[in-house]
Amino acid sequence: GQNIDQPTEMTATEGAIVQINCTYQTSGFNGLFWYQQHAGEAPTFLSYNVLDGLEEKGRFSSFLSRSKGYSYLLLKELQMKDSASYLCAVRGGSNDYKLSFGAGTTVTVRA
Amino acid sequence: GAVVSQHPSWVICKSGTSVKIECRSLDFQATTMFWYRQFPKQSLMLMATSNEGSKATYEQGVEKDKFLINHASLTLSTLTVTSAHPEDSSFYICSASRLAGPSYNEQFFGPGTRLTVL
Repeated sequence: GQNIDQPTEMTATEGAIVQINCTYQTSGFNGLFWYQQHAGEAPTFLSYNVLDGLEEKGRFSSFLSRSKGYSYLLLKELQMKDSASYLCAVRGGSNDYKLSFGAGTTVTVRA
Repeated sequence: GAVVSQHPSWVICKSGTSVKIECRSLDFQATTMFWYRQFPKQSLMLMATSNEGSKATYEQGVEKDKFLINHASLTLSTLTVTSAHPEDSSFYICSASRLAGPSYNEQFFGPGTRLTVL
């Protein structure tokens, strides 16, 4: 089975940095994704990690350690529009490209 | 590129009726499409994987006779919720993967369909 854990909620101030952790235990591993989802909307792709290390994309960075089953999403220079749910998703080892999602972390950015 | 559309965006229906939701990949061919359901404040739960020209693969606990999936072409998959009941009210999201070319690792998500069953 797939077990993906991330915190339920986080609150931060505009301009600050927030780190969202994700731990996973899955049957096989073929990549980890982070998505942003605003209420009532579909998820939008933020990042993809398949090898260990840090991937940086503007204000957002994502890190992966496969040996620890651990990833984090780092949001820098927080803006009010970053208030959303952030979903960690893992693709298992099969060839069907299925994703298993964590429950999501709701980030609230305050002025 | 890689745009996925869903229709309708929202639908309200009476209990016992059937509802069809369309998922289209607008600018690429999607050999695989996925259907998810999301209840309020919960994450996406995969319902089924749909491959063009073959039967869908349903996740455990998802009734295949209630949630009919058809993937007749490389750009269109449909989900029909048959004999809908209030407990089927949810946000249904599809995604599509292209298994070759740019961004072949990604699933591209549609905007979702909000179903409310009265």
